[in-house]
Amino acid sequence: EVQLVESGGGLVQPGGSLRLSCAASGFTFSYHWMSWVRQAPGKGLEYVANIKHDGSEKYYVDSVKGRFTISRDNAKNSLYLQMNSLRAEDTAVYYCARDGRLTTWGQGTLVTVSS
Amino acid sequence: DVVMTQSPLSLPVTLGQPASISCRSSQSLVHSDGNIYLSWFQQRPGQSPRRLIYKVSDRDSGVPDRFSGSGSGTDFTLKLSRVEAEDVGIYYCMQGTHWPFTFGPGTKVDIK
Repeated sequence: EVQLVESGGGLVQPGGSLRLSCAASGFTFSYHWMSWVRQAPGKGLEYVANIKHDGSEKYYVDSVKGRFTISRDNAKNSLYLQMNSLRAEDTAVYYCARDGRLTTWGQGTLVTVSS
Repeated sequence: DVVMTQSPLSLPVTLGQPASISCRSSQSLVHSDGNIYLSWFQQRPGQSPRRLIYKVSDRDSGVPDRFSGSGSGTDFTLKLSRVEAEDVGIYYCMQGTHWPFTFGPGTKVDIK
């Protein structure tokens, strides 16, 4: 069974940093693109970033470019999202998902940016 | 960026009756590889989203056949042949053709 488990969310002050992790199991992680999608409280979905199976290509939505970095460790079956210079508008549940077109989603981890 | 719109935004339905959600894109979703990467996602209350339909009309594994997708170019539709109580939630379309991939605003389906 495909499983994606996010962790690393929490409360952080504006301007701060946070690193999210996503542990994958039940499939050959190194074969798949991986993605991060977020959902602000009570709002819709926003595609944040994705990364090619070997990490050689990465894509970001404009609102996080230069502040967020997506990465992966295929030996550890793990996906990461390093978030710097956090703003209040980054407050959201962050989901990791398998493939660029989001075949399977994790349960999400909540990031709250507030002073 | 490609703007995705959905209608209606709220859809009260009667159990056992059909329902339909429309999704439109601000530009053609035909990819250079010839595919149309239009997906539908369901988000039940308190749950993560789940993909139902990909490439306009292909159902994901385990998705009941009462869900169907259709469309072409810039106009797409998700149809439920007979609404069941477990179908309550928010439905999003998403285009995966042009980066950044973008979602529609969502259609909230609930029971009358």
